[in-house]
Amino acid sequence: AQSVTQLDSQVPVFEEAPVELRCNYSSSVSVYLFWYVQYPNQGLQLLLKYLSGSTLVKGINGFEAEFNKSQTSFHLRKPSVHISDTAEYFCAVSRAAGNKLTFGGGTRVLVKP
Amino acid sequence: EAGVTQSPTHLIKTRGQQATLRCSPISGHTSVYWYQQALGLGLQFLLWYDEGEERNRGNFPPRFSGRQFPNYSSELNVNALELEDSALYLCASSFPAGGETQYFGPGTRLLVL
Repeated sequence: AQSVTQLDSQVPVFEEAPVELRCNYSSSVSVYLFWYVQYPNQGLQLLLKYLSGSTLVKGINGFEAEFNKSQTSFHLRKPSVHISDTAEYFCAVSRAAGNKLTFGGGTRVLVKP
Repeated sequence: EAGVTQSPTHLIKTRGQQATLRCSPISGHTSVYWYQQALGLGLQFLLWYDEGEERNRGNFPPRFSGRQFPNYSSELNVNALELEDSALYLCASSFPAGGETQYFGPGTRLLVL
């Protein structure tokens, strides 16, 4: 079985400052890794994913994440945040294509002006 | 291209009643997944349907059930509703069968009184 830990439940950050959201996972087999964003009263939107290949993954809205196999981490970063980035961010893993997603507990990002 | 759609957006029921939630996947997607997002419990996998068959089930009681129709749309049924069933129910779809990326709908918010 796999598990996902998002180390920060809330991250306040000032507009135009950088942000990093931490995600660690546990699995005995290779996994696919995902970051989703959930804006208030909406569903989940895919930000980016790691399936294989280059460990640095670029996503939408200026986000990027780096897969680190030795540390079993997949941290999400953005160099300069906007007010519109205020949302909840979820890290997720799946063991293989077609399998269920296992989510972390989420990180609420509040961007302050 | 239309995304995943879900209906209704909101549903209010009383304890003991039955609820039916509906999901239409992205055109061409054959797999449908259901997740529950309850306050304090995070996002949990409920069910996975592909080609009309249940492929995987999360740790939920049998009163949570569903089906997938020939046009790949899906229904989630919750019988004998309990107060703790109040949650946002999210549907996701993927292609091809068991595709690695799941795309989510806006969700149905179920309130059990």
